[in-house]
Amino acid sequence: EVQLVQSGAEMKKSGESLRISCEARGCSFTSCWISWVRQMPGKGLEWMGRIDLSDAYTNYSPSFQGHVTISTDKSVPTAYLQWGSLKASDTAMYYCARHRNPRDWFDSWGQGTLVTVSS
Amino acid sequence: QSALTQPASVSGSPGQSITISCTGTSSDIGAYHHVSWYQQHTDKAPKVVIYEVSYRPSGVSERFSGSKSGNTASLTISGLQDEDEADYYCSSYSSSSIFHVFGGGTKVTVL
Repeated sequence: EVQLVQSGAEMKKSGESLRISCEARGCSFTSCWISWVRQMPGKGLEWMGRIDLSDAYTNYSPSFQGHVTISTDKSVPTAYLQWGSLKASDTAMYYCARHRNPRDWFDSWGQGTLVTVSS
Repeated sequence: QSALTQPASVSGSPGQSITISCTGTSSDIGAYHHVSWYQQHTDKAPKVVIYEVSYRPSGVSERFSGSKSGNTASLTISGLQDEDEADYYCSSYSSSSIFHVFGGGTKVTVL
């Protein structure tokens, strides 16, 4: 069974950079794609992008392409979500979610990382 | 605006059955069996309750069932219980550049 453990809450200012992490325990032994999902306050789930932990192949939603970077350190294994310049509108809860294959459902979810950006 | 369309809210009394619809297009729900449903209690992470249209993960109550017809998927909760009060999201794989699309979410209230 795969367990996803995310890094803690962050409070940042507009323009600052940030990287949050998602440790994918159990992904050394099985196929793992990790997707990142945003949930803004009081709103629904939005798919941001995904990465194959085995070869770091990534896909991004057009809504997030160019604003965030998804990467991995497969030796751990861990997925990362990174911003070069945060905006106040990036304030949200961010979840990582695992799927076994590119088209599969999300069978494990991290506990979420709350990112708060002040202007 | 979400890619998949769900009703904003559905309610029912304990013991009743409710159904949540999720309408997409021929590029997502209509094209694939990769439709899933997620339950999210307040301030908790989502949890899958249905995958591949109609399969239940181990540990999920038999009261949850899923189906699909054309571009519309449905989640039915039978024998509604207080613990079912939560937000529910549908999701589908998509041939668009957004590979995984979600519905806007449905708030289920147990009266």
